[in-house]
Formats: sequence, structure tokens, C-alpha cells
Amino acid sequence: GAVVSQHPSWVICKSGTSVKIECRSLDFQATTMFWYRQFPKQSLMLMATSNEGSKATYEQGVEKDKFLINHASLTLSTLTVTSAHPEDSSFYICSARRPGLQSTGELFFGEGSRLTVL
Amino acid sequence: EDKVVQSPLSLVVHEGDTVTLNCSYEVTNFRSLLWYKQEKKAPTFLFMLTSSGIEKKSGRLSSILDKKELFSILNITATQTGDSAIYLCAPILGGSEKLVFGKGTKLTVNP
Repeated sequence: GAVVSQHPSWVICKSGTSVKIECRSLDFQATTMFWYRQFPKQSLMLMATSNEGSKATYEQGVEKDKFLINHASLTLSTLTVTSAHPEDSSFYICSARRPGLQSTGELFFGEGSRLTVL
Repeated sequence: EDKVVQSPLSLVVHEGDTVTLNCSYEVTNFRSLLWYKQEKKAPTFLFMLTSSGIEKKSGRLSSILDKKELFSILNITATQTGDSAIYLCAPILGGSEKLVFGKGTKLTVNP
């Protein structure tokens, strides 16, 4: 079964509004979670690394004021797309690494959230 | 700049065929390489490769890494329609543990 849960799966919003996406690790504590964005026919692009209890680390070209990340607990990270515009429409996926499996490198991915901004 | 190139980008085969998917990479501080299968939503883990020349197998799928030539291949034998998906490779960067994904190979297996 899923070990990383993402919500919502689908969201449609009007331009200018903010949207929050949640990523939860269901049966383990994740000190680090990763947020990716995937445009149609493109690969997953890492947006930021979310660290529990500290500020997220953003990749080059990703606006930290637009994509707010909060990792307030060991099982929850949130991504808020502020003042969304149609070009923000994309598939957003989070991932987390289960502690104790560091050596395998296996990441568990959420089911993804498809955002459509009208 | 870290770069991952997968080929072919798209492949259409018939059930029973064998396919080979390629992944070449140029990244800083390479640690390991992962292969994922992505169907409609989230990618699912297939293999992690760290050492050169050691083949990993899981059923009809196998994969191998060449750290000298900086590439990996994923083989699927006796393909089935359920193998239709996008296959992604992603080197892991040591230290940051970041994954750098390729664009993927879209495999379509027709009955």
C-alpha cells in the first residue's frame, strides 16, 4: 500500500488564488521530503528539498516566495503555490526516503497532485 | 550542469519482444543510479545500481551500470502490455542525495 500520501489529487483554481498541497509519510518519519514538478512529456524536475524544522532548500530558478514549503512535522510537508497563474499548471509530486533504508536509496513517491489554473 | 539523457524517447513493440532502454549521465559526485516505472501517476521503484558490471534482476526486468562509460541499461524480456509505461532513470548525487531525472523512455507494448 501507499506509504506516502498526497492530497489533493486534483485541484482547479482561478488565477491569483493560492493552493496548498499536502504530502504525508504514513508509517514512517521523514526528516527530508522532496518536491518535484512535471510538465507534460517532460521529466520530473526537483523544485525543493523540504527539511523538518528548518527552511527548505530551493533549486535554481524556483521562486521561494511563490512556492512556499512548510515541513512542520516529521510526517507532513506542504507546498503552497501562491498567486497561481496558468503557467503554474502542472503535476506536482512529493517524495520521502524511509529512515533505515538510506543505503538502498529508495524513495517513496506520493500519488501526485495535478494543478490546473484557469 | 548535471545531465541525464535517455534513449530512445519513445518505443513501440509487440508483446513478446525484448527491449533495451538506455540512460547516459554526466553528473557531479555520482553515488548511485535508480530506475523507475511511471504509469499514470507516481513513479515506482525498480532498481538501484551502485557498482559497475553487476546485473540486477527482477523477473523479466534486468539492469546494469557502467560507471566508466557513464551509462546504464534496462532490459525487459518477453514484454507484456502491462509493461507499457514511462521508464525513468535518475542518478543520485552524493552528499545532497538529490535525484536528477532523465526525460524518460515511453514504452508502448501492443498485443
